[in-house]
Amino acid sequence: KAGVTQTPRYLIKTRGQQVTLSCSPISGHRSVSWYQQTPGQGLQFLFEYFSETQRNKGNFPGRFSGRQFSNSRSEMNVSTLELGDSALYLCASSRQPPNTEAFFGQGTRLTVV
Amino acid sequence: QKEVEQDPGPLSVPEGAIVSLNCTYSNSAFQYFMWYRQYSRKGPELLMYTYSSGNKEDGRFTAQVDKSSKYISLFIRDSQPSDSATYLCAMSGNQFYFGTGTSLTVIP
Repeated sequence: KAGVTQTPRYLIKTRGQQVTLSCSPISGHRSVSWYQQTPGQGLQFLFEYFSETQRNKGNFPGRFSGRQFSNSRSEMNVSTLELGDSALYLCASSRQPPNTEAFFGQGTRLTVV
Repeated sequence: QKEVEQDPGPLSVPEGAIVSLNCTYSNSAFQYFMWYRQYSRKGPELLMYTYSSGNKEDGRFTAQVDKSSKYISLFIRDSQPSDSATYLCAMSGNQFYFGTGTSLTVIP
């Protein structure tokens, strides 16, 4: 059974640019959550999507947005990149809310220069 | 107060030792409790998942939940160098809440 797939694995962007990250959940999983992980802050919740609807949103500025497609694949977008956005972005899939087991992808490491 | 508190360590033990990792939480509505292992530059890997108070064992790993004290633990028996990683506790209610992780090094 294929796991959670995140693309790309690595990304280098310049300040002010925008970026789109992709997440394909495990087959049959309809809930996708996104997290930002940095050494100082740990895992910070960005948002969660279920059935193409955003269920929950973390405390991040509006530059961070996401969406989910009918096949449960999800994308997140960060506009006007800042140096502080450099982090490992992880997505996790689970069958459905209320959340039980969540399985993570390998993450996308974003570096903003 | 954070929803989930976890001692960041680092924790360093000799091979073969019993390791105890702990988290406390404040929200009594949390229903599901998980432990993840994360190797450097990798995504977290689900290790254990429990629902009720009590113990759950899987090989060398035992997860313990005490809902009355809002306290969860992960015990690793006969620790191995390959157990060296960061361990994250997680809990879920309407969304997931993660501890900051405990860095563990098992010395051969």
